[in-house]
Amino acid sequence: DAMVIQNPRYQVTQFGKPVTLSCSQTLNHNVMYWYQQKSSQAPKLLFHYYDKDFNNEADTPDNFQSRRPNTSFCFLDIRSPGLGDAAMYLCATSRDLTSGGYEQYFGPGTRLTVT
Amino acid sequence: AQKVTQAQTEISVVEKEDVTLDCVYETRDTTYYLFWYKQPPSGELVFLIRRNSFDEQNEISGRYSWNFQKSTSSFNFTITASQVVDSAVYFCALSEARRAAGNKLTFGGGTRVLVKP
Repeated sequence: DAMVIQNPRYQVTQFGKPVTLSCSQTLNHNVMYWYQQKSSQAPKLLFHYYDKDFNNEADTPDNFQSRRPNTSFCFLDIRSPGLGDAAMYLCATSRDLTSGGYEQYFGPGTRLTVT
Repeated sequence: AQKVTQAQTEISVVEKEDVTLDCVYETRDTTYYLFWYKQPPSGELVFLIRRNSFDEQNEISGRYSWNFQKSTSSFNFTITASQVVDSAVYFCALSEARRAAGNKLTFGGGTRVLVKP
């Protein structure tokens, strides 16, 4: 009965080699979020999708992109990973506020290592 | 700007002790939402509770209880009779209600709780 699924759970990539992380959901929520969480820190929002509308946070580096081909799936693309991008990447979903959505439901995360 | 402060970075207790996690927030919004999330070592953030700014009623759920006080801008969380499985990092978070779309969470720095047998 998994609700927010992230694949892979662990990803190792080389410095500068593009990498894609995936997220899928069975909740039929119209909002999907990507967070970056570094060790011993709070999650930091990178961007979110409201349906197909993409909302980027002002301080999210251009190196990070996202795609949402349909309601269920969302991808995080890191075009040229640097050592500083090593982190846990968390995907979350929620309904939109006008539909009474408040809580975000998180996936288990993908831990990215950059060598 | 919104801000959430969790002054305690780490708390260590012995099993069956009570533990209270402090959360203080700042916002200019009159309508907002407060949350607590648990992050066990596995990494997944687990939603525990949401409180609306207009609802100051305290809540108890099993061994968990929450004390929301608007006058002091605090939303504290107590675990009664702690167990080893309560060991995790706990995050307090705040969201604004203005957005018609997504719901941006502002997280506190987290409090690591270690419950020893």
